[in-house]
Amino acid sequence: AQSVAQPEDQVNVAEGNPLTVKCTYSVSGNPYLFWYVQYPNRGLQFLLKYITGDNLVKGSYGFEAEFNKSQTSFHLKKPSALVSDSALYFCAVRDVTGGYNKLIFGAGTRLAVHP
Amino acid sequence: EAGVTQSPTHLIKTRGQQATLRCSPISGHTSVYWYQQALGLGLQFLLWYDEGEERNRGNFPPRFSGRQFPNYSSELNVNALELEDSALYLCASSSGQGLNQPQHFGDGTRLSIL
Repeated sequence: AQSVAQPEDQVNVAEGNPLTVKCTYSVSGNPYLFWYVQYPNRGLQFLLKYITGDNLVKGSYGFEAEFNKSQTSFHLKKPSALVSDSALYFCAVRDVTGGYNKLIFGAGTRLAVHP
Repeated sequence: EAGVTQSPTHLIKTRGQQATLRCSPISGHTSVYWYQQALGLGLQFLLWYDEGEERNRGNFPPRFSGRQFPNYSSELNVNALELEDSALYLCASSSGQGLNQPQHFGDGTRLSIL
C-alpha cells in the first residue's frame, strides 16, 4: 500500500535560517510526490511536485524539495525562512492503484518560524 | 484565474440532519475530488468525480454521496449526520486524470454537528 510519513509534528526555525521539513514514502511503482501548505482557516496550497527527472524540484515561494530514491525521501527545503512561512505542511503521494486517483497525505508538520 | 470555490464556508447542523456542500472547480478542470480533514484523523479521501461520473470512493459509509454536474461543479451530500462528521471538507480539482497534474484545493466547508 502507498503511504507517506512525516516524522516531525513540529519544526522550529529562526527567521533567516534554512529550513527542512522531512517526508518519507512507501510506494509500489514510480512515486508521484507533492507538497502542500495550509494556512489557518484555509485550504491546501500546492507548492511543488516530483514526477520524474531532476532530483531537486523547485516550487512556489522559494521552496524546493529533494527527491532521494535510495532513502525513499522527499524533504522540503528553503534556504532562508520567513516568519510568514509559519504554517502546516503536508507531503502527499498520488495513489492510482486499484482504480483510484487520490492523494494520500502525511499527518502534517507544523512549521514555526521565529523572528 | 479563479481558484476552486466552495460554499458555504461554515455549516452548522444537528445529528440526523442532512448537509449539502458545493464545489466549483477551476475553469477547464474536469476532475473533482472530495477530502475530509477531521481533527486527529488527518486528510482522508472521500470521492473522485470525472466527466460527470463517480470514479472511486474512499472508506466512508454510503450516507456520504455526491454528484458532478455537466458544468463539472460538484456537490457532496451527507445524510443522517453524526457527531463525528464534524470536519473541514475540502474539494480539489485537476486538469484531467493525468498523474502529473496537481490537485488544487478550495478553502473548504467547515461542518459542525451539534
